[in-house]
Amino acid sequence: RKEVEQDPGPFNVPEGATVAFNCTYSNSASQSFFWYRQDCRKEPKLLMSVYSSGNEDGRFTAQLNRASQYISLLIRDSKLSDSATYLCVVIPPGANNLFFGTGTRLTVIP
Amino acid sequence: DTAVSQTPKYLVTQMGNDKSIKCEQNLGHDTMYWYKQDSKKFLKIMFSYNNKELIINETVPNRFSPKSPDKAHLNLHINSLELGDSAVYFCASSQVFVAEQYFGPGTRLTVT
Repeated sequence: RKEVEQDPGPFNVPEGATVAFNCTYSNSASQSFFWYRQDCRKEPKLLMSVYSSGNEDGRFTAQLNRASQYISLLIRDSKLSDSATYLCVVIPPGANNLFFGTGTRLTVIP
Repeated sequence: DTAVSQTPKYLVTQMGNDKSIKCEQNLGHDTMYWYKQDSKKFLKIMFSYNNKELIINETVPNRFSPKSPDKAHLNLHINSLELGDSAVYFCASSQVFVAEQYFGPGTRLTVT
C-alpha cells in the first residue's frame, strides 16, 4: 500500500467555485503533513502546513482527520491563478524523507 | 535572491555520456535532497544528505552519485546515461532533516 494516495483528477471548476481535495495516508502514526503546489513546468512550492486543529490561509483551508487518516485542502472563490497540481506530503514516523502524493490537477475555467 | 538554484536548467545529451547537475542553497539549511520527477509527474526521492550523512534510496542505480563539497552545495553526477534517465531532476533543502522542503527550479534532462 502506498504511503500517500491522491485522486489525480483533473478537477475542472469555474471561477468562484469552491473545490476540495482529499489525500489519504497509510501510517496512522504520521505527525507532519503539508500541501505543496506545482505549476506546469515549475518546481513544487510549499502552500501550507497542516495542523491538527486545522488551519486557514486566506481562501485556503487545510484539515487533518486522524480517525479516517486523510488530509484535505479546501479552496474557496477559485481564481484562474489557482490552476496547478496540488501535492499532499506526509512524513511517517522514523522516515528519512517526505512522501509525496501523485498530485491532484486543478484547472479553474473562466 | 534565489534560495535554491540549479544548473543547468536544460540538459540534452546522448546515451552513454556522463553529466553533472549542480545545486546550491543560500538558506543556511542543513539538509539537501535530490528528486526525480518522471513523465507521470511522480516525485521520487533519490538522495538525502544530512550533516555529511548520505541516505540513498535503494532503487537508485549506482550510476547516480551525489557529491557535497560543503553544506550549501549538493551536486548530482550521472554516469553512462540511459534513455530512462530522461526526467526533471529537482534539488531541495530543508532546515532540519525531514522537514518542509524548498525546491530548486529543476533540471530537465533529455537523453537521446
